[in-house]
Amino acid sequence: DQQVKQNSPSLSVQEGRISILNCDYTNSMFDYFLWYKKYPAEGPTFLISISSIKDKNEDGRFTVFLNKSAKHLSLHIVPSQPGDSAVYFCAAKLYGGSQGNLIFGKGTKLSVKP
Amino acid sequence: DGGITQSPKYLFRKEGQNVTLSCEQNLNHDAMYWYRQDPGQGLRLIYYSQIVNDFQKGDIAEGYSVSREKKESFPLTVTSAQKNPTAFYLCASSTRQGRPDTQYFGPGTRLTVL
Repeated sequence: DQQVKQNSPSLSVQEGRISILNCDYTNSMFDYFLWYKKYPAEGPTFLISISSIKDKNEDGRFTVFLNKSAKHLSLHIVPSQPGDSAVYFCAAKLYGGSQGNLIFGKGTKLSVKP
Repeated sequence: DGGITQSPKYLFRKEGQNVTLSCEQNLNHDAMYWYRQDPGQGLRLIYYSQIVNDFQKGDIAEGYSVSREKKESFPLTVTSAQKNPTAFYLCASSTRQGRPDTQYFGPGTRLTVL
């Protein structure tokens, strides 16, 4: 039973346009959400996060939106660059859980074409 | 430079042999984790340790064992009881008190069982 779902395995976007990556979750006890970026044969690196008490967090070209009523979050990248091409994982932490004990989605492979 | 090292990057073993994957961190983190990634799948938690000499099973612990004798080290043994050991293995660490985005990942070890 997948608690964190990324329903789009892949996404292709033109350079300079907006990339929108989506993530749905089922457990209302998640209190923190994160996005990680992963290149092939490397470990994931942290990108941006959001607490469940907020609905938006912005860091440069990256913005994460959280809609708690819909149990949905999205990552917006604007403008998209070829170097953004990677697999993006959505992750969530349970309230009261270990700080590092995260539940990951299956990932969305983003391809940004020049 | 502080970080997490995993060795080797690629590992080949014959079926039926136990194999130990190394993970070392010099970040002074209390907590360490082992994840497994399969093609098209998210990261799944195998084992985690929040303090020296203590560890907990994750979602897919069967066929694996760990030890945490030192704060810096968290080796993972893939035993012959693991039915599908071929995968990409990721080690991570985090502070116990910090936010979840303080989790850092190593570069990973790709294990292939022939």
